Amino acid sequence: EVQLVESGGGLVQPGGSLRLSCAASGFTFSSYWMNWVRQAPGKGLEWVANIKQDGNEKYYVDSVKGRFTISRDNAKNSLYLQMNSLRAEDTAVYYCARALFDWSPFDSWGQGTLVTVSS
Amino acid sequence: QSALTQPPSASGSPGQSVTISCTGTSSDIGGYNYVSWYQQHPGKAPKLMIYEVSKRPSGVPDRFSGSKSGNTASLTVSGLQAEDEADYYCNSYAGSTKVFGGGTKLTVL
Repeated sequence: EVQLVESGGGLVQPGGSLRLSCAASGFTFSSYWMNWVRQAPGKGLEWVANIKQDGNEKYYVDSVKGRFTISRDNAKNSLYLQMNSLRAEDTAVYYCARALFDWSPFDSWGQGTLVTVSS
Repeated sequence: QSALTQPPSASGSPGQSVTISCTGTSSDIGGYNYVSWYQQHPGKAPKLMIYEVSKRPSGVPDRFSGSKSGNTASLTVSGLQAEDEADYYCNSYAGSTKVFGGGTKLTVL
């Protein structure tokens, strides 16, 4: 069974940093592009970033460029999102999701981890 | 990277059909046949319902169908059932990045 389990969320002050993790199991992690998708409270879904199977290609939504960094460790079947210079508008549930290619759909999702940016 | 445009709400009675539209540009929906649709119930993670415009993953009822014309994609739910009440989001490939629609709340009357 495919499982994606996010962790690392919590309360952080504006300007602070947080590192999210996503532990994958039940599939060959290194064969998939991996994504972060977020959802602000009561709002819609927003694609945040993705990373190629070998980690050599990474793409971001404009609003997080220069502040967030996506990475992966295929040996540990793990995906990460380093979030710096956090803003109130980054408050959201962050989901990790897999896709076979960058154009492929998100066919499996984690349960999400809540990040709250507030003083 | 502008969000795709969806109507905020849609509704229909049990057994009826409802269609949700999703409008983008030639840089996303119009440029690729990589539109997908997701269903999200309150407090749950999204679930893939349609991919590559009109394909259904295994396990998704054939009451769900998708189509595309130009820069607009559509999701049709036929034979509405109570459990179809949820939020629906479209998504399109936009050349290495992805973009979602704002979401449509589907109410089964």
